[in-house]
Amino acid sequence: AQSVAQPEDQVNVAEGNPLTVKCTYSVSGNPYLFWYVQYPNRGLQFLLKYITGDNLVKGSYGFEAEFNKSQTSFHLKKPSALVSDSALYFCAVRDIRDTGRRALTFGSGTRLQVQP
Amino acid sequence: DSGVTQTPKHLITATGQRVTLRCSPRSGDLSVYWYQQSLDQGLQFLIQYYNGEERAKGNILERFSAQQFPDLHSELNLSSLELGDSALYFCASSVTAGSLNEQFFGPGTRLTVL
Repeated sequence: AQSVAQPEDQVNVAEGNPLTVKCTYSVSGNPYLFWYVQYPNRGLQFLLKYITGDNLVKGSYGFEAEFNKSQTSFHLKKPSALVSDSALYFCAVRDIRDTGRRALTFGSGTRLQVQP
Repeated sequence: DSGVTQTPKHLITATGQRVTLRCSPRSGDLSVYWYQQSLDQGLQFLIQYYNGEERAKGNILERFSAQQFPDLHSELNLSSLELGDSALYFCASSVTAGSLNEQFFGPGTRLTVL
């Protein structure tokens, strides 16, 4: 079975400071990992994904994430937060061995609040 | 704008009723996914269709069913509605069947069951 955990319900950061949104996963094989963002009253938007290759993945809007296999983590980061980054962030995983269900499992979401 | 459209935007109905939610994928996308987002369950994958055929099934109740039509639009049918079915229902689409591709989400349909 595959699962993903986002240990923080909310992250608060001041504008201009670096931000980190945490994600850990559990799969039996190797993971495919994703980050999506949801702005108020909108659907989810894709930010970035890790399939294979370089552990540091760069995505939209200046976000990046680092795949750490030993810590089973895929934390989302940005060097300098903007007020407009305030939103709900979802981490998602799919097990490379999951040839049956073949669907993403989403975390519970982390609300990012960037204060001016 | 993702290019995925969902209707209606809001739906209010009573327990025991049946409703149909509609989704039109992005032009060129063959795959459609349905998700339910609620406060207590989070974002749950329900079902996926690819080019008219069911591709993957998630936590979809037996009271719920879906289909994808030849023009690739999809409908999610929810019957014998219960208070707990109140949620935001999202449709997403992608080019191929594999869940490794970026999924484009619609704005959602907010269902309220009274």
